[in-house]
Amino acid sequence: QVQLQESGPGLVKPSETLSLTCTVSGGSINSYYWNWIRQPPGKGVEWIGYMYYSGSTNYNPSLKSRVSISIDASRNQFSLKLSSVTAADTAVYYCARGVYGNRGPSTYYYMDVWGTGTTVTVSS
Amino acid sequence: QSVLTQPPSVSAAPGQKVTISCSGSSSNIGNNYVAWYQQFPGTAPRLLIYENNKRPSGIPDRFSGSKSGTSATLGITGLQTGDEADYYYCGTWDSSLRVWVFGGGTKLTVL
Repeated sequence: QVQLQESGPGLVKPSETLSLTCTVSGGSINSYYWNWIRQPPGKGVEWIGYMYYSGSTNYNPSLKSRVSISIDASRNQFSLKLSSVTAADTAVYYCARGVYGNRGPSTYYYMDVWGTGTTVTVSS
Repeated sequence: QSVLTQPPSVSAAPGQKVTISCSGSSSNIGNNYVAWYQQFPGTAPRLLIYENNKRPSGIPDRFSGSKSGTSATLGITGLQTGDEADYYYCGTWDSSLRVWVFGGGTKLTVL
């Protein structure tokens, strides 16, 4: 079955760029929507954005100016970059596969496979 | 402040039924399908319900979902101590914001 695994530095300095990679195994990245979600300590989850395998992206407006998601299909990986980080960006970061579609005027969208998460701390 | 509103916590005794509500608006729950997730401490959320009331393979039929207007409900029957999770989240697409939105999460305590 499809599995996702996040990787990247666990510590990032303030004002620098956070970079994470998600490796997809057991299936192809050439379909679906590929998401990043984060969860600050003791808080609920926040959707960061997605990239569709064809290249289109959609980001949370609250983070849009600082976020970039990209796909490397040759490696079956997708990546997150978040620039100008502050302590407020300290969180567990998850990658997840998204399923999206429309039935008439209604949209269905859900994340059916998740990575285990990676903790990123922003501190000098 | 989450776009979708959930109660912070619910509780019930083993064997009983519990429901968790999720309230939104016409731009999200009112016109789109809802999903529910379960999260235990230190683990990733797990998909419990998708498209309002469908269960992925491996999810017991003790878990059910429903939707009416701009609200959705997760039901759990035959409560077990293993159902006690840090968070149960609802989530859906918001057509106005064009983003995926989550509720704030509900902690379930099995007394």
